Amino acid sequence: SQQGEEDPQALSIQEGENATMNCSYKTSINNLQWYRQNSGRGLVHLILIRSNEREKHSGRLRVTLDTSKKSSSLLITASRAADTASYFCATDDTGGGNKLTFGTGTQLKVEL
Amino acid sequence: ETGVTQSPTHLIKTRGQQVTLRCSSQSGHNTVSWYQQALGQGPQFIFQYYREEENGRGNFPPRFSGLQFPNYSSELNVNALELDDSALYLCASSRGQDLSDTQYFGPGTRLTVL
Repeated sequence: SQQGEEDPQALSIQEGENATMNCSYKTSINNLQWYRQNSGRGLVHLILIRSNEREKHSGRLRVTLDTSKKSSSLLITASRAADTASYFCATDDTGGGNKLTFGTGTQLKVEL
Repeated sequence: ETGVTQSPTHLIKTRGQQVTLRCSSQSGHNTVSWYQQALGQGPQFIFQYYREEENGRGNFPPRFSGLQFPNYSSELNVNALELDDSALYLCASSRGQDLSDTQYFGPGTRLTVL
């Protein structure tokens, strides 16, 4: 079963704009990760944030984590057409048995 | 691109048949996890293999089974295929079983069951 929901399900923006995606989850976690998937192919790891961290940056990516609300957000700044993809959050649940539990994903389209 | 490869790329089977999917992990990685991704959904964990032993299993029936070999490559076997088994099957390798280690995903095998 899916851990939670990503919001929005789909997002369409212009190149140069910022894109924000949100992820909600249900259980206690060790860490939360974000992945990108192009055209139904393999996933690429973007960033990991641990449960004791509140914010993390990597290049144009900014991730926040609010464990009290069981939610995370991914911000992509100055988006590019190449950022067009599906984005998934995945949680490593405490007591979760060596597995990542993925959300339902946000489809991002960046138009020229 | 990751160093994880999967074969075949696409596969078409009929209900009741059996299928074997293969995954070669990235060099230096001893852990392989398998995921099923239905169309429009996020990946769902099937199981993980660590040093040739099953090391965690998701909510999948016993007709989903696997192997990991001494070179840490892996197979996913599905018996008695059902229409709902149609999906993209992804494997991911990592340096260890700790999920804070980056998971490197292969490109996937798309299975269609008719």
